[in-house]
Amino acid sequence: EPEVTQTPSHQVTQMGQEVILRCVPISNHLYFYWYRQILGQKVEFLVSFYNNEISEKSEIFDDQFSVERPDGSNFTLKIRSTKLEDSAMYFCASQTLPGRGAEAFFGQGTRLTVV
Amino acid sequence: GENVEQHPSTLSVQEGDSAVIKCTYSDSASNYFPWYKQELGKRPQLIIDIRSNVGEKKDQRIAVTLNKTAKHFSLHITETQPEDSAVYFCAANKPANAGNMLTFGGGTRLMVKP
Repeated sequence: EPEVTQTPSHQVTQMGQEVILRCVPISNHLYFYWYRQILGQKVEFLVSFYNNEISEKSEIFDDQFSVERPDGSNFTLKIRSTKLEDSAMYFCASQTLPGRGAEAFFGQGTRLTVV
Repeated sequence: GENVEQHPSTLSVQEGDSAVIKCTYSDSASNYFPWYKQELGKRPQLIIDIRSNVGEKKDQRIAVTLNKTAKHFSLHITETQPEDSAVYFCAANKPANAGNMLTFGGGTRLMVKP
């Protein structure tokens, strides 16, 4: 069964450093997402990406965040200057072009720890 | 924007009993309602979903009901087993032309006692 894969599984970084989280969505999917989950809390939407541009973003996704699809397979989330409160599990998800709703497949997550 | 409320936040049942988790949503444009199960430290995994043109859907021991008028939907697990213990999240999904993202509820920690 195809899977969304994310690397690294765990990243520790110093406050103020830049991090790039990587995702390889399922190959025939067209919608891509980043979500985050602070420990013990709910999954929160960050950004959706379709047709090589951001289609929607949440209030969390401020100027410190950016996304890119640099080639045909990878989808990345960059945090320019990490803050302590960026510590969370970051999930990438992908979805086929949804008509009346379609399953979003989640990657296994990257645990980001900012120290 | 969409707001999804989920209750209860924790639920403890005896093995073999039923469990019911309820969610409400605020945006009538939402048209797809998945339920995810998340085991500790793992990714959310879809267990069942329902679209807005359907009132009920069942898959073995799991069922979901949707009341569009009242804007609420529920997950029902019958004959619970210890391996059902996990955090369950409901979500609401708006159509693609409205952003298409999932808005999650706060989660329900289900504990099934053997």
